[in-house]
Amino acid sequence: QVQLVEAGGGVVQPGRSLRLSCAASGFTFSDYGMHWVRQAPGKGLEWVAVMSYDGSDKEYADSVKGRFTISRDNSKNTLFLEMNSLRAEDTAVYYCAKDRVGPKSFLESWGQGTLVTVSS
Amino acid sequence: DIQMTQSPSFVSASVGDRVTITCRASQGISYWLAWYQQRPGKAPELLIYATSNLRSGVPSRFSGSGSGTDYTLTISSLQPEDFASYYCQQANSFPLTFGEGTKVEIK
Repeated sequence: QVQLVEAGGGVVQPGRSLRLSCAASGFTFSDYGMHWVRQAPGKGLEWVAVMSYDGSDKEYADSVKGRFTISRDNSKNTLFLEMNSLRAEDTAVYYCAKDRVGPKSFLESWGQGTLVTVSS
Repeated sequence: DIQMTQSPSFVSASVGDRVTITCRASQGISYWLAWYQQRPGKAPELLIYATSNLRSGVPSRFSGSGSGTDYTLTISSLQPEDFASYYCQQANSFPLTFGEGTKVEIK
């Protein structure tokens, strides 16, 4: 079955960097677009970024554009999110999610999430 | 960006009740809408995609409808495991956007 396991969260000071990873198994990782979605404590869902199956296309939310970078290593079935210049408002649980097959992005499978806390 | 306005924010209902949640997009999204369920402390789960398609394994008491800018999630007979938060999401264009969520609680 599909399994997505995020790692790399923790407490980080404002302005610093953090790299999240998402290890995928149970499906052919290189066939699917992958997303990052975050959820601030007690708040709703916010889409962060997407990368196409082969890494050729990526999109970002305006709130993270220029600070966050999504990438993937299809040889290791792993998705990444490099987060720079972190701000307090980036504090959230970060989920990776797998696209459903099809022309549009519906998030078919989600990891359990990793908590990022930005605080001095 | 397409804004998604979801209502109500909160529903208090009893087991067996019919519950309807609506989502309005700031522009037409051509049926590219999904609904997710999130139980406390858990990751969201896809319920419905492309307006009305139930994901495999989702009970038939869940249904979706709509067109243009207005979409609806209906739970025909609320079960104890349905008490959760629900989010709509438009997939018409990037950035993907979610509604603010609806919390369904036990009356």
